[in-house]
Amino acid sequence: GAVVSQHPSWVICKSGTSVKIECRSLDFQATTMFWYRQFPKQSLMLMATSNEGSKATYEQGVEKDKFLINHASLTLSTLTVTSAHPEDSSFYICSAREGQREKLFFGSGTQLSVL
Amino acid sequence: AQTVTQSQPEMSVQEAETVTLSCTYDTSESDYYLFWYKQPPSRQMILVIRQEAYKQQNATENRFSVNFQKAAKSFSLKISDSQLGDAAMYFCAYRKSSGGSNYKLTFGKGTLLTVNP
Repeated sequence: GAVVSQHPSWVICKSGTSVKIECRSLDFQATTMFWYRQFPKQSLMLMATSNEGSKATYEQGVEKDKFLINHASLTLSTLTVTSAHPEDSSFYICSAREGQREKLFFGSGTQLSVL
Repeated sequence: AQTVTQSQPEMSVQEAETVTLSCTYDTSESDYYLFWYKQPPSRQMILVIRQEAYKQQNATENRFSVNFQKAAKSFSLKISDSQLGDAAMYFCAYRKSSGGSNYKLTFGKGTLLTVNP
């Protein structure tokens, strides 16, 4: 099956620094990628949708200047948490859609801890 | 806006027994997809089963089956012959049928399933 690689799997950073999370589709071209955020024991909340070569579409309430999403190629999307603060600590998950196929493939997630 | 409700925060089942997880949803669309995802302690999201709203037949995947009641907007998951490896958080999810940005998933809050040996 298709594989989505997400790195890093966990990261600890100091408050005020920026962190980049990568999401790669290893054996397919991902026309659309989605970024989710999950707080402990809670559901996945969609943050943004990114299509290759165009600007990401952010969900209501998500600060686009804080959560920078880049989808520069058909196999790579990145989420950069800028000027991270402790309240940004969360589990971030990406998912990717292969072309026009119906299935979505999820990355293994990134646990971000901001000190 | 679409909403997905899972009214059971936690469920438990004895190994080899059957358990049913509940899910209701709200939508004004006539065509859509419904999903059950499993999230084990590794936190990797795993698709368990998928149902297209236009299909009346309930989807089945080995020990997993659904009871899809479109009029009632209900989509329950039945796990038969429960195994220890089934222990996980289960999320019900919805998405519209058309593509593009409508491809995004709306998740319920999840049900934590414990399997007792």
